[in-house]
Amino acid sequence: GNSVTQMEGPVTLSEEAFLTINCTYTATGYPSLFWYVQYPGEGLQLLLKATKADDKGSNKGFEATYRKETTSFHLEKGSVQVSDSAVYFCAPFPSTYGNKLVFGAGTILRVKS
Amino acid sequence: DAGVTQSPTHLIKTRGQQVTLRCSPKSGHDTVSWYQQALGQGPQFIFQYYEEEERQRGNFPDRFSGHQFPNYSSELNVNALLLGDSALYLCASSENGQTNEKLFFGSGTQLSVL
Repeated sequence: GNSVTQMEGPVTLSEEAFLTINCTYTATGYPSLFWYVQYPGEGLQLLLKATKADDKGSNKGFEATYRKETTSFHLEKGSVQVSDSAVYFCAPFPSTYGNKLVFGAGTILRVKS
Repeated sequence: DAGVTQSPTHLIKTRGQQVTLRCSPKSGHDTVSWYQQALGQGPQFIFQYYEEEERQRGNFPDRFSGHQFPNYSSELNVNALLLGDSALYLCASSENGQTNEKLFFGSGTQLSVL
């Protein structure tokens, strides 16, 4: 089965700082990889995805590259904003049919102005 | 489009009681999945309903059961509540066969068991 290890939080940064949130996974087959974000009081939203090795997913200034050789999918952003404060979840999706996501424990990001 | 709606938003129960949570999927979606998110943890898959039947199930005891109605809405029932059932319960909807980029989550029901 799939499992995910995420960088422990909370991560506290000042506005415009560089962000990295590490994610490594174990999976059978060749999973797609997702980052979800959960803003306070809201449900999860898909932030970005990558479906095969060396793919780079990007959205809202965030990026993550599917590294099959290191089984990693680290999330990065060059300049964070206060509005990026949220919980970020890494999730591999198995290659077999089904909608059973396996989430990491989540990393809390706090951005100070 | 209202998206995925869940009710109630908050609920307080005592040990041993039973609870029912409700979910209305996004318009056009026919598949509903339920997740349990304990404090400080990622969501854990409970089960998925499609065509009024349970299609997949995670590692949860039989105290957790569900139902899907002909209009695709769904209920999650938990019997004999334990303190450890306190969590945020998330509903997610999708169209059958779609990948996870098409998965939409509700804001959840916060269940507290005292």
